[in-house]
Amino acid sequence: KAGVTQTPRYLIKTRGQQVTLSCSPISGHRSVSWYQQTPGQGLQFLFEYFSETQRNKGNFPGRFSGRQFSNSRSEMNVSTLELGDSALYLCASSPVAGGNYEQYFGPGTRLTVT
Amino acid sequence: AQSVSQHNHHVILSEAASLELGCNYSYGGTVNLFWYVQYPGQHLQLLLKYFSGDPLVKGIKGFEAEFIKSKFSFNLRKPSVQWSDTAEYFCAVNPGTYKYIFGTGTRLKVLA
Repeated sequence: KAGVTQTPRYLIKTRGQQVTLSCSPISGHRSVSWYQQTPGQGLQFLFEYFSETQRNKGNFPGRFSGRQFSNSRSEMNVSTLELGDSALYLCASSPVAGGNYEQYFGPGTRLTVT
Repeated sequence: AQSVSQHNHHVILSEAASLELGCNYSYGGTVNLFWYVQYPGQHLQLLLKYFSGDPLVKGIKGFEAEFIKSKFSFNLRKPSVQWSDTAEYFCAVNPGTYKYIFGTGTRLKVLA
């Protein structure tokens, strides 16, 4: 079974621009979560989607948004990029939502904002 | 607010030494607990998980963790580390909601 895939793997943007990241979950998984990983901060939860609905959201500004499509693929968008948005953005999928399943992580998208 | 604390940010051990990484969480109800590992250049992957039952859980590669409810802790242990255990380790908690809370991670370096 193919794992979680994320595109693009690397991205360089300038301040003020916007960016869209994509995540394809493992086949059959309907829950997708997004995290921001930075050194010293660990993984910060952004949001989780299940059946095209956002079920929970972390403490990030409204510039961070996401959506999920009917095939469970998900995208996250960051508008008006700031230098502090430079990070590794991880996507994780699980069969269903809730905490009784492990999450399977993708390789991440490394975003650099200059 | 719910949080997960990993007190050891960097750990350096020699091969064959014993390992214990601390994890404490702040949540009074039932929780699901996880340890994930990120080897250099690889994806985060699950080491072990605890949902209920025996509080001593065994995971892959000889790792184990003990859930102590009274201490809100879920410490990771390995009796004898190997050079290949060099990685970053993350403790995570899910209180049955749509949100996983991760600790800040512990970087383990094992010297050959």
